Formats: sequence, structure tokens, C-alpha cells
Amino acid sequence: DTGVSQDPRHKITKRGQNVTFRCDPISEHNRLYWYRQTLGQGPEFLTYFQNEAQLEKSRLLSDRFSAERPKGSFSTLEIQRTEQGDSAMYLCASSLGGQGANEQYFGPGTRLTVT
Amino acid sequence: DAKTTQPNSMESNEEEPVHLPCNHSTISGTDYIHWYRQLPSQGPEYVIHGLTSNVNNRMASLAIAEDRKSSTLILHRATLRDAAVYYCILRPRGYSGAGSYQLTFGKGTKLSVIP
Repeated sequence: DTGVSQDPRHKITKRGQNVTFRCDPISEHNRLYWYRQTLGQGPEFLTYFQNEAQLEKSRLLSDRFSAERPKGSFSTLEIQRTEQGDSAMYLCASSLGGQGANEQYFGPGTRLTVT
Repeated sequence: DAKTTQPNSMESNEEEPVHLPCNHSTISGTDYIHWYRQLPSQGPEYVIHGLTSNVNNRMASLAIAEDRKSSTLILHRATLRDAAVYYCILRPRGYSGAGSYQLTFGKGTKLSVIP
């Protein structure tokens, strides 16, 4: 078990370009979450998957954002036509399903800079 | 969403105990109290959680008031590695509608540890 991994760790892109981030959760975790964090703020929830099904999406997830989790394993988050306001840290987390506290395990994040 | 209130910042001397408070006066009877922390340039890390009774683990202790309207995270001997932002978060026990599984972060308490 190597924890949650994210790739890339840093991404610099020009406004208007598309970017895609990848998250590999802990292997036995069936729940996967994406969050966004801007400087000085706590992370904000974007979306949540249980296995391959995307069950919840935040209002923050505009039409330019799309997330997938094919086969219920890794997940990708794509941002189309990036804007400077998309500059942030994008965090992925995973957890076990079922009852209980369902503590979430976070990856190191992907820092996006839109110039 | 149930809200929590934490001080913006706190300081502690190295090797001394630290008590990080959290108020959650609107907590419901089925909400867990979770604590996460975020070290600089890292994703958040689960610390501890509790429901009614005080809890201990290898990282910290959680003291929960009898009326559950407040709680305190206790680090028994602060080290420089404990310098982080600490988040107190309420989460429902099990599924209680949309938003049940996501974490809702506030701004947390920034803990500085003085050598």
C-alpha cells in the first residue's frame, strides 16, 4: 500500500488550454473524492465517486470540468479551456465504503498554474 | 451543514502539550467529530475522530464535551513536525443525504511550534 498518488504534481498551462490530472487511490478503497484548494483556504469538495459511479458534484464543478473513474480504479479530472481562476491545488482522496467514520486518505495534490 | 469554529492560529513551545479547541454548537446527535491536519505543501492527513467518548490514538487524543458542543484535540508533546493547519470537521454517521461523505473544511487553526 503506497497511499494515494497523483500525477502530475505540478502543471503550468496557458489560459484556454485543456489539462488532465490523474489520481490513483488506495487499492481497496471504493470511494474517491476530488477537492480544490486555493491559497489560505481549506479544501473545497468538487466531486465523489463510489466505484465507477459519480454520485455527487459540487456547484463548483462547472461545465468545463469533467471527472471519470473507469472500472472503479484510477480517476481523471479534466479542465477544458482553463481560466486563471482555475489556478489551485487539486487534491484527490479515497476511503473505504460501508458504515463507520470513513476517514479519507489524501494524495499530495496537483498544483495547477494558469498563465 | 453543521459548522465548526476554531481559532485562526495558535503557538506552542516544542515538547509541550497543545490543546486545539473546536466549537460545534449545532452538532446533531449522529455527527462524528473528525480532525485532519495539513502540513505545508502536503495533502490533508487524518488525525482522529470521535462520537461521544474521548479517544486516543498514536497521534493525538480527542476530548469531547459532555454536551458534544465542543471538542479539543490534544497533542501531548508538540514537535516541529506538528506545525500544520488543523481542521475540525463534522460528518454524519452513515448516509443522511447529499453531502454525507464529503469533508467540509473551514479555515482551520494554524499551529506554530517554537523550538
